[in-house]
Amino acid sequence: GQNIDQPTEMTATEGAIVQINCTYQTSGFNGLFWYQQHAGEAPTFLSYNVLDGLEEKGRFSSFLSRSKGYSYLLLKELQMKDSASYLCAVRDGNYQLIWGAGTKLIIKP
Amino acid sequence: DAMVIQNPRYQVTQFGKPVTLSCSQTLNHNVMYWYQQKSSQAPKLLFHYYDKDFNNEADTPDNFQSRRPNTSFCFLDIRSPGLGDAAMYLCATSRVEGTDSYEQYFGPGTRLTVT
Repeated sequence: GQNIDQPTEMTATEGAIVQINCTYQTSGFNGLFWYQQHAGEAPTFLSYNVLDGLEEKGRFSSFLSRSKGYSYLLLKELQMKDSASYLCAVRDGNYQLIWGAGTKLIIKP
Repeated sequence: DAMVIQNPRYQVTQFGKPVTLSCSQTLNHNVMYWYQQKSSQAPKLLFHYYDKDFNNEADTPDNFQSRRPNTSFCFLDIRSPGLGDAAMYLCATSRVEGTDSYEQYFGPGTRLTVT
C-alpha cells in the first residue's frame, strides 16, 4: 500500500529552527507538496519538490531525496503564527495525491 | 481576488436529513475536489471532477454524491448523514494540463455537525 509518515507533534521555541520530516512509500512519484493548516482552517500551499535538492522560499525550505523516499520542511526564525499542522502530500504514479496525517507544530515563547 | 469559496462555513443537520454543501471558484481551474477531514487526520479524497468527468474514489460511501453544473460550481450532497459524517469538508481546485498538475487551492471548508 501507499504510505506517508510524519511525526504527530513537535514543539519548538520562538526564534529557533525546526525540521519536520516526511517519509513516503508510493507507487511511483510525481512530486511532493508541503501544506500548512491552521486549526479549523483549510490547508495552504507552501512548497513543491519534484527533483532532488533544496527549495528555499523565505523562512521556509523544503528538501527532497527521491532515492530515500524522504523530504523535510525546514522552518527558520520561528514565529508564534507558525503554530499549525504541516501536511506532506505525494503525487503518485497515477497523479493521485496521497496525504500524510500532518505534524502539529507547537511554538513556545 | 481569485479564490475558492465554500458555503456555508458551518452546517448543522439532523441524523438522516439530506444536506448540500457548495463550492465555487474564480480561478477557472479545470479540476475540483471534495475532501473529508476529521480531527488530526489526513484529508480524505471523496471524489473529483476533471472538467465534466466525475471520478469517484473506491471507498467513498454511496451516501455521498456530487454535482458540477459548470466550471465554477461544485456541490456535495450527503443523502442521509450519519454521526460518523461529522467532519470538515474541504473543496479544492487545481489546474491540470496533460501530465502537468499544479498545486491545489483550498476553500475555507464547511464544518458539518450531525445531531
